[in-house]
Amino acid sequence: SQTIHQWPATLVQPVGSPLSLECTVEGTSNPNLYWYRQAAGRGLQLLFYSVGIGQISSEVPQNLSASRPQDRQFILSSKKLLLSDSGFYLCAWGRTGTLYNEQFFGPGTRLTVL
Amino acid sequence: AQSVTQLDSHVSVSEGTPVLLRCNYSSSYSPSLFWYVQHPNKGLQLLLKYTSAATLVKGINGFEAEFKKSETSFHLTKPSAHMSDAAEYFCVVSGLTGGGNKLTFGTGTQLKVEL
Repeated sequence: SQTIHQWPATLVQPVGSPLSLECTVEGTSNPNLYWYRQAAGRGLQLLFYSVGIGQISSEVPQNLSASRPQDRQFILSSKKLLLSDSGFYLCAWGRTGTLYNEQFFGPGTRLTVL
Repeated sequence: AQSVTQLDSHVSVSEGTPVLLRCNYSSSYSPSLFWYVQHPNKGLQLLLKYTSAATLVKGINGFEAEFKKSETSFHLTKPSAHMSDAAEYFCVVSGLTGGGNKLTFGTGTQLKVEL
């Protein structure tokens, strides 16, 4: 069966500090991978998605970047955090090769920028 | 373009009574539709999905949803609410872009279950 991991689970960082959130998927190959942000009282916003190693598509201009160094690893980064980067970050994976597939979500990382 | 509208931001029911969470969608394609549930500080869990097979879809934990094309609706129901059903529920439509499938989320419905 497939599992998706995210870490850390919670993170408190000062404004201006760097960020690295990691997501890994087990039990599947060549997944589509996604990063979402869920701000307090708002819905889910798609930040990045990737259909393969080194292939990143950005949905929203922002202070963040993403990388996919390995097939089942997806990293969300920032060089300098802003207060507005606070939120709940969710990684998800979906199967390739079939249209309109559902996505499977990780447990999330709660980021607080102070 | 595709979109979903969740008609209620908050729904409150008594334990043991029926649950109805409403969702309307808009899609240029024959859509795939999903309902996800999110408990506080947790990831999203797939409840059920519609992908052009049977219009009445059964999911986990006793939930079901009916796809009605004429009404562009995909409402989520459960005959009898349980305290553990208290959570936020998202209606989601799927579509394609740039080689990867994208999900468009509704704004969520917070379900409260009272004794």
